[in-house]
Amino acid sequence: DVKVTQSSRYLVKRTGEKVFLECVQDMDHENMFWYRQDPGLGLRLIYFSYDVKMKEKGDIPEGYSVSREKKERFSLILESASTNQTSMYLCASSPNQGKTANYGYTFGSGTRLTVV
Amino acid sequence: GQQVMQIPQYQHVQEGEDFTTYCNSSTTLSNIQWYKQRPGGHPVFLIQLVKSGEVKKQKRLTFQFGEAKKNSSLHITATQTTDVGTYFCAGQSGNTPLVFGKGTRLSVIA
Repeated sequence: DVKVTQSSRYLVKRTGEKVFLECVQDMDHENMFWYRQDPGLGLRLIYFSYDVKMKEKGDIPEGYSVSREKKERFSLILESASTNQTSMYLCASSPNQGKTANYGYTFGSGTRLTVV
Repeated sequence: GQQVMQIPQYQHVQEGEDFTTYCNSSTTLSNIQWYKQRPGGHPVFLIQLVKSGEVKKQKRLTFQFGEAKKNSSLHITATQTTDVGTYFCAGQSGNTPLVFGKGTRLSVIA
């Protein structure tokens, strides 16, 4: 069963801490994404990557960075956690267009981060 | 930037009633995708529409892509309690990442 695995389901961190959210996919997908989901705001794109060592800012990159050293792993880093970063974080992956007829995103189960 | 609007935000239906959610993009799309998120779960890919005017069916679910490739709809016939969740549309232009609508939360009253 192919999947996207996020390292933690729930996480509680203190304000100012550096936080690492890990995401691993086993589908050999080229593309990986980080979204945050908040009530009433839907899914908002933080960062994405179309290749190893490549990263692009999404719609809300402020306060975040990412790392993609290997194709299967895409890490989201909160440099100095703040309370307004309390949210559900969703990682997703997809194949390149043209490699398959359907290139829907496969999401991980999410990490619910609380910053206190 | 590209925006995807989705209505309604909430829908409460009696079991057996039909349900429709609508999606509109500010720009012409290369494809539109639909996802379902069960309560407490994560979004799960349902379908992708690529062609102008395309209609696809999955059992009781019917998906349409507008002629201008700027709008889409998802219609569920005779809802069941298993249909409960939030339905998201997501549009894509070229090779840009998906832009998600805010979703329609469906409640089904047995």
